[in-house]
Amino acid sequence: DVKVTQSSRYLVKRTGEKVFLECVQDMDHENMFWYRQDPGLGLRLIYFSYDVKMKEKGDIPEGYSVSREKKERFSLILESASTNQTSMYLCASSFAGFNTEAFFGQGTRLTVV
Amino acid sequence: GESVGLHLPTLSVQEGDNSIINCAYSNSASDYFIWYKQESGKGPQFIIDIRSNMDKRQGQRVTVLLNKTVKHLSLQIAATQPGDSAVYFCAENQGSGTYKYIFGTGTRLKVLA
Repeated sequence: DVKVTQSSRYLVKRTGEKVFLECVQDMDHENMFWYRQDPGLGLRLIYFSYDVKMKEKGDIPEGYSVSREKKERFSLILESASTNQTSMYLCASSFAGFNTEAFFGQGTRLTVV
Repeated sequence: GESVGLHLPTLSVQEGDNSIINCAYSNSASDYFIWYKQESGKGPQFIIDIRSNMDKRQGQRVTVLLNKTVKHLSLQIAATQPGDSAVYFCAENQGSGTYKYIFGTGTRLKVLA
């Protein structure tokens, strides 16, 4: 079974803190993604990566950065957390190419106070 | 458990009956569509996909129908079971050759015993 593991289920951080969300997949997938999920809105893509050290902006990259130093790990960084970044964050991975099945982690619920 | 959305449309179905969940998509250029299931406290799980050169695809107990004329997608679940209770949402790619998707907000399916 494909496993996408996010390091934390719940996080509470203070405004202005630098926050790291970690994601690891064990299926040797080339593609990795970070989404946020908010009530009343569909999943929105923050960043994605199709190879090690490669990254592309998604639809809402402002206030975020990412790091992919190893194939299995994709980190989302909130440079200076703000209350409007309170959300559920979901990591996903898939094989190379477009239109390939994405496997999601269980999500990290981040609250910024 | 986690709530993936407040005030989601809800479909209540008797156990054993068939369920039909609908989705209107927005982009005429979309050529790939996916249905996801998200149970409380979990990440989305791929159910079935369909490409725009098809109008129907069947899986195990699930069927997806695509009507490109009216930009409508539906998910049919046969013989609905308690384990089918979840939020279901559709996703469309933003045209071919892209990693970006537009996700629907979802429909909550409640299976009544």
